[in-house]
Amino acid sequence: AQKVTQAQTEISVVEKEDVTLDCVYETRDTTYYLFWYKQPPSGELVFLIRRNSFDEQNEISGRYSWNFQKSTSSFNFTITASQVVDSAVYFCALSEPGGSYIPTFGRGTSLIVHP
Amino acid sequence: DAGITQSPRYKITETGRQVTLMCHQTWSHSYMFWYRQDLGHGLRLIYYSAAADITDKGEVPDGYVVSRSKTENFPLTLESATRSQTSVYFCASSEYRGDTQYFGPGTRLTVL
Repeated sequence: AQKVTQAQTEISVVEKEDVTLDCVYETRDTTYYLFWYKQPPSGELVFLIRRNSFDEQNEISGRYSWNFQKSTSSFNFTITASQVVDSAVYFCALSEPGGSYIPTFGRGTSLIVHP
Repeated sequence: DAGITQSPRYKITETGRQVTLMCHQTWSHSYMFWYRQDLGHGLRLIYYSAAADITDKGEVPDGYVVSRSKTENFPLTLESATRSQTSVYFCASSEYRGDTQYFGPGTRLTVL
């Protein structure tokens, strides 16, 4: 079973729409870390956010926001007023003691933003 | 330049040849990782290293060899390349366990 599930393989939106990328994780540990990375068409992997399990505050960074809910084991990522430059593959990852803190990645969600 | 670099960026080789992909980081991070990225599989861990001279297998280690004689370098060797090893390879580093990973630009390897 996957430890990190990104059920949306591909999402297509029109510019200025809001879009939410889902991430559901599985762990028995109480201390763990969650991450989001962006991979634009150029191919590099860009770090977006790291969240520890004890901090359930939602985070906002410009048009990006993250909703961490331990009750549903989810760490969803929302882009408000999407732009063409947001087109990328987005990966969610989990780092937990049971896995020696070696991050496990979801399979990614490809976001296509049309002008 | 500071950061994490990979070389070569592109490599074409033939089945059965030995290939070494290089990874170098300037942060003195303890942890280094090798991933392969294939369509439909996301990022899969090949090997990782917690420090110089300490390495461990990841999810897909077969056919690969790593070494880490210096903290800053973590080469990945395909001893006898196979077509199934055609992939994009990413190196990453992190300062400690659970810390953010920073990725290199990737190496696109094609095995003919």
